[in-house]
Amino acid sequence: AQKITQTQPGMFVQEKEAVTLDCTYDTSDPSYGLFWYKQPSSGEMIFLIYQGSYDQQNATEGRYSLNFQKARKSANLVISASQLGDSAMYFCAMREGNGNNRLAFGKGNQVVVIP
Amino acid sequence: GAGVSQTPSNKVTEKGKYVELRCDPISGHTALYWYRQSLGQGPEFLIYFQGTGAADDSGLPNDRFFAVRPEGSVSTLKIQRTERGDSAVYLCASSLTDRGTPSFGSGTRLTVV
Repeated sequence: AQKITQTQPGMFVQEKEAVTLDCTYDTSDPSYGLFWYKQPSSGEMIFLIYQGSYDQQNATEGRYSLNFQKARKSANLVISASQLGDSAMYFCAMREGNGNNRLAFGKGNQVVVIP
Repeated sequence: GAGVSQTPSNKVTEKGKYVELRCDPISGHTALYWYRQSLGQGPEFLIYFQGTGAADDSGLPNDRFFAVRPEGSVSTLKIQRTERGDSAVYLCASSLTDRGTPSFGSGTRLTVV
């Protein structure tokens, strides 16, 4: 069963605008962590932000923030003030707290920032 | 400091050949992961090492795939009798502890012709 769902088609966003990338997840484990990674065309996976299931506040890291809605099982990434260098694939991933240390990734969201 | 290093960055091999892919994790990181990323997909888990031992190898697709980490640092992913379906980017990641945030390498792009 798919644990992470990212279904948005490729997105174009104007430079300096904000963009929201959707991610929904499926788990019965009460303890889990959610990650967002960026993958530019060069291929490396760059860690952006982390949200723990018990965290009381939404995570923020610079221009990245996570809109965590636990009841809806969604963890949308918000990128504010988009820059040309934000053009990349963005992957949402989950690690469950059941002793299993693997990350389960979604299929990714493609973002293209246009000047 | 140095990140996760993977070599080679690209590998082209003929069907049926044996290949080895190398991963140098960040120094001091005890946890090491291998993932495989097919075109247009997210990475899929293959195997996880804690120290020298494979703590979880449930993602390896079949017995042609094997990985080692003999001294708890460098790891090698070995694929025997390669098939065209093995073509993908193989990503390695490491983290300081088993619950830390994994840092990824740039991957090895394997093409089986």
